[in-house]
Amino acid sequence: EPEVTQTPSHQVTQMGQEVILRCVPISNHLYFYWYRQILGQKVEFLVSFYNNEISEKSEIFDDQFSVERPDGSNFTLKIRSTKLEDSAMYFCASSESETLYGYTFGSGTRLTVV
Amino acid sequence: AQSVTQPDIHITVSEGASLELRCNYSYGATPYLFWYVQSPGQGLQLLLKYFSGDTLVQGIKGFEAEFKRSQSSFNLRKPSVHWSDAAEYFCAVVGFSGGYNKLIFGAGTRLAVHP
Repeated sequence: EPEVTQTPSHQVTQMGQEVILRCVPISNHLYFYWYRQILGQKVEFLVSFYNNEISEKSEIFDDQFSVERPDGSNFTLKIRSTKLEDSAMYFCASSESETLYGYTFGSGTRLTVV
Repeated sequence: AQSVTQPDIHITVSEGASLELRCNYSYGATPYLFWYVQSPGQGLQLLLKYFSGDTLVQGIKGFEAEFKRSQSSFNLRKPSVHWSDAAEYFCAVVGFSGGYNKLIFGAGTRLAVHP
């Protein structure tokens, strides 16, 4: 069964450093998403991406965050200057259509900011 | 705005007992609804989803959920719980905004299973 692949599975970074979280969506999917889950809390929407541009972003997704699909297969989330409160599990997801048919999550990247 | 409420933060059941996890949603039209399960430190696994049609939806691992429009509910059930079902369960609804969409998650219900 097709999978969404996220790397790395765990990343530790120092406060103020830039991090890039990588995702490889399912190959025929057109809609891409990032979600965040702070430890012990619910999963929260960060951003959706379609046709090489952001289609929606939440209030969490401030200027420190950016997304990119640099080569047609990878989908990345960049945090420019990490803060302690950015420590969380970050999930990438992709879907085939705007109705979320075939919506699939990756296994997540646990980001720890120290 | 769309929202999801999972009234039970923690539930403990005995192995072999039946289970029902509650989920209430707020949405004006027919919702798209999901249940996910998450083991500690792991990703989100889709148990089942409802888009339309039969209001009783069968999922993986013996789970089912019933969509009840009159009660704005999408409760998850399993007739006999196994110790391996201990995990966190999230209900989610699709939120549409400006032609695009996202999943809106509830706060989750943590299930503990006693032997």
